[in-house]
Amino acid sequence: AQSVTQLGSHVSVSEGALVLLRCNYSSSVPPYLFWYVQYPNQGLQLLLKYTSAATLVKGINGFEAEFKKSETSFHLTKPSAHMSDAAEYFCAVSLSGYALNFGKGTSLLVTP
Amino acid sequence: DAGVIQSPRHEVTEMGQEVTLRCKPISGHDYLFWYRQTMMRGLELLIYFNNNVPIDDSGMPEDRFSAKMPNASFSTLKIQPSEPRDSAVYFCASSLTSGGQETQYFGPGTRLLVL
Repeated sequence: AQSVTQLGSHVSVSEGALVLLRCNYSSSVPPYLFWYVQYPNQGLQLLLKYTSAATLVKGINGFEAEFKKSETSFHLTKPSAHMSDAAEYFCAVSLSGYALNFGKGTSLLVTP
Repeated sequence: DAGVIQSPRHEVTEMGQEVTLRCKPISGHDYLFWYRQTMMRGLELLIYFNNNVPIDDSGMPEDRFSAKMPNASFSTLKIQPSEPRDSAVYFCASSLTSGGQETQYFGPGTRLLVL
């Protein structure tokens, strides 16, 4: 079954620094991949998704992710972190396009 | 659009009591999902519906859990009897089939505490 692994349950960056959140997937066929963000006491919100149209995907709030088949990765990046980026980030995979399988999540802390 | 609506937002109950969680999906969406989030297990898919019909309930933990979708604008997740290990945040999400890769829209969640 398809699954994702998020490396690092907690990541801390300084304001203005590069954000890199790692996600590796396991799938025997090309999957659909997603990044969601969860702010405290809120539901999940889609940041971006990969649907095979382009390997570099741009999302909201300045985030982007690159699909690398050779590395089975879909890492999330942002050039310059803002305090408002502090949240929980989830990578998810789907084959059918419907049911999502989420990673364990990475908590991003942004320090002044 | 009001988004996905869930009620109640918080529920505190005692072990053995029946708990009913409610969800109103985004109007026009034809898929509805129930997820559970805990520290130990993360986000788990419990069940999902397509056009009000349950498609996959393999994530429902046990017979104490049941879900229904009597119409396109309403779904319930019921736990009877509840146990402390059911304490979690329960999310409802909906999506619209559009021929591409559908985005799931999540509600704010119901935070359940079973004492």
